[in-house]
Amino acid sequence: QKEVEQDPGPLSVPEGAIVSLNCTYSNSAFQYFMWYRQYSRKGPELLMYTYSSGNKEDGRFTAQVDKSSKYISLFIRDSQPSDSATYLCAMTSSASKIIFGSGTRLSIRP
Amino acid sequence: DAGVTQSPTHLIKTRGQQVTLRCSPKSGHDTVSWYQQALGQGPQFIFQYYEEEERQRGNFPDRFSGHQFPNYSSELNVNALLLGDSALYLCASSLVEYSGANVLTFGAGSRLTVL
Repeated sequence: QKEVEQDPGPLSVPEGAIVSLNCTYSNSAFQYFMWYRQYSRKGPELLMYTYSSGNKEDGRFTAQVDKSSKYISLFIRDSQPSDSATYLCAMTSSASKIIFGSGTRLSIRP
Repeated sequence: DAGVTQSPTHLIKTRGQQVTLRCSPKSGHDTVSWYQQALGQGPQFIFQYYEEEERQRGNFPDRFSGHQFPNYSSELNVNALLLGDSALYLCASSLVEYSGANVLTFGAGSRLTVL
């Protein structure tokens, strides 16, 4: 069993829709949770960073962490074609190696 | 301010050959991590360097080795290349003094094809 599970998609939604991306994990030691966005032929870029459980909002993006369920989510409101990319969840216990999910390919249809 | 730069961007090798990939971290960062990203997969941690020493290592064989130089730049070496080594190799830099997780800044990667 992988430490981090992520639905690979692809996920295709119309412009303006709310997008929900999710990951589950098995290691209860994970405390830091991140979402990275990766455009084609580019390296991942940090989108959201959350410590422990709770919600964090940044513009159209909201990250949620439920440590009791070992489940994290990223919501994108008013999705735009420019949001089309692969979204990678990532997590770590401290200043340790960061473990990534396999990524979800997202396509926003104009 | 330059971010993480990697070279070469693309390269093709044959089985059994050796390859060296290079990385210059973001200005002000002192830690370099290397990841392997196979097609359609998430990045897999190879190892991390700080103060010119390997701090952590993922589940990769000894064919994968690295080095960090006094200016914080780094190299990834892979010996005896296998077809399965074909992937995008990502370098990421961070600041070890950052509290909490080492938030990574990635380069665009070096795409290695092994024939």
